[in-house]
Amino acid sequence: QSALAQPASVSGSPGQSLTISCTGTSSDIGAYNYVSWYQQHPGKAPKLLIYDVSNRASGVSDRFSGSKSGNTASLTISGLQADDEADYYCSSYTTRRTLVFGSGAKVTVL
Amino acid sequence: ELQLAQSGAEVKKAGESLRISCEASGYNFSRYWIAWVRQMPGKGLEWMGIVYPGDSDTRYSPSFQGHVTFSVDTSITTAFLQWSSLQASDTAMYFCARGVGIGVDTFDLWGQGTLVTISS
Repeated sequence: QSALAQPASVSGSPGQSLTISCTGTSSDIGAYNYVSWYQQHPGKAPKLLIYDVSNRASGVSDRFSGSKSGNTASLTISGLQADDEADYYCSSYTTRRTLVFGSGAKVTVL
Repeated sequence: ELQLAQSGAEVKKAGESLRISCEASGYNFSRYWIAWVRQMPGKGLEWMGIVYPGDSDTRYSPSFQGHVTFSVDTSITTAFLQWSSLQASDTAMYFCARGVGIGVDTFDLWGQGTLVTISS
């Protein structure tokens, strides 16, 4: 199964909002509301941000929000901060009872 | 403390076998799936599959089926990922993670990763 499609890089200035897209198919994102988002800083393990499309994980800032429309999910970061600079991955459960990650998006804070 | 502690970095040669570990603490190990995730150098995350410690049920990604084996030892609350014959392309960071959700689709606790380096 191919990775879900994410933009390779997204950038924004401190305080701005940015949105990362995650495009799949009717066999994954379009089939279920089982989309998660993870943040990974260099050399670190991923950290869960969002699960089931739009639910924030425990302790995660409300600056992070998730949504979905059809076969595309989105993560929005509002009030961009320097520490938000990291790689972001989406994931989705699939109709084959497997899981697929996105290709990853590098967020740069200008 | 809620934690997944992985074994240390490994350097092996192609053709050798290897088993890395993921020790759980702070929760009921038998009641949560453990997932294994590969991250090749400079690349993204790849789902390898999951194992349920309660009954050792496993699901493998087609991309990894037949090349790796998942196992658990509930007496020491530890999950294992093993290879019988390593390849140079197995060089990567490997993470274990606790799986939750109806589809075991969310990973809410991660190990620190084990770096595996294979020389040919």
